[in-house]
Amino acid sequence: QVQLQESGPGLVKPSETLSLTCTVSGASISSNYWSWIRQPPGKGLEWIGNIYYTGGTNYSPSLQSRVTMSIDTSKSQFSLKVTSVTAADTAVYYCARDEGLVAAGANWFDPWGQGTLVTVSS
Amino acid sequence: SYELTQPPSVSVSPGQTATITCSGDKLGDKYTCWYQQKPGQSPVLVIYQNNKRPSGIPERFSGSNSGNTATLTISGTQALDEADYYCQTYDSRSVVFGGGTKLTVL
Repeated sequence: QVQLQESGPGLVKPSETLSLTCTVSGASISSNYWSWIRQPPGKGLEWIGNIYYTGGTNYSPSLQSRVTMSIDTSKSQFSLKVTSVTAADTAVYYCARDEGLVAAGANWFDPWGQGTLVTVSS
Repeated sequence: SYELTQPPSVSVSPGQTATITCSGDKLGDKYTCWYQQKPGQSPVLVIYQNNKRPSGIPERFSGSNSGNTATLTISGTQALDEADYYCQTYDSRSVVFGGGTKLTVL
């Protein structure tokens, strides 16, 4: 059974960098793309970006100037950094496995981690 | 950028059929999937590639996609189906989510 677990600080100060890690178990991280998705309190889902085991990345156009993703296959972990955070970055952050055939324009997320709430506040 | 539009809310009586729509320009030319999210929980995939059900998802969940609209249909809706539902597609190397629909079973 594939499981994903997010970890990282729950509180980040404005203008600082948000850093999260997702640990994958039950599946090889050296297959599939792996994504980060966030959900502000009471609002909808927003895709942040994804990363392949080779280190290749795709980022949301709206966040790409502040986002960096990395992967450590030896630890079965991938990570997210968001710089210059503001209150608008307060959200539950999820990691998820990308499934599907990107070349065919088909992708979906399954499974998702349990999510971690990150609050941006001084 | 590409946009997906969902109704904010849909109501259905127990045992009836719930229909949730997701609209986007030429959406029928793309693949769409659907997620169910209950309060305090992570989203769960219920439909992928327009009309496929993952293992463990009840048969009462079905999907279709044509023209500008994708549709999630829940037949014989049960109280435990009350949740937020999100559609999602892939466009120009980017993932797009709909705004979500709150399904109320009353």
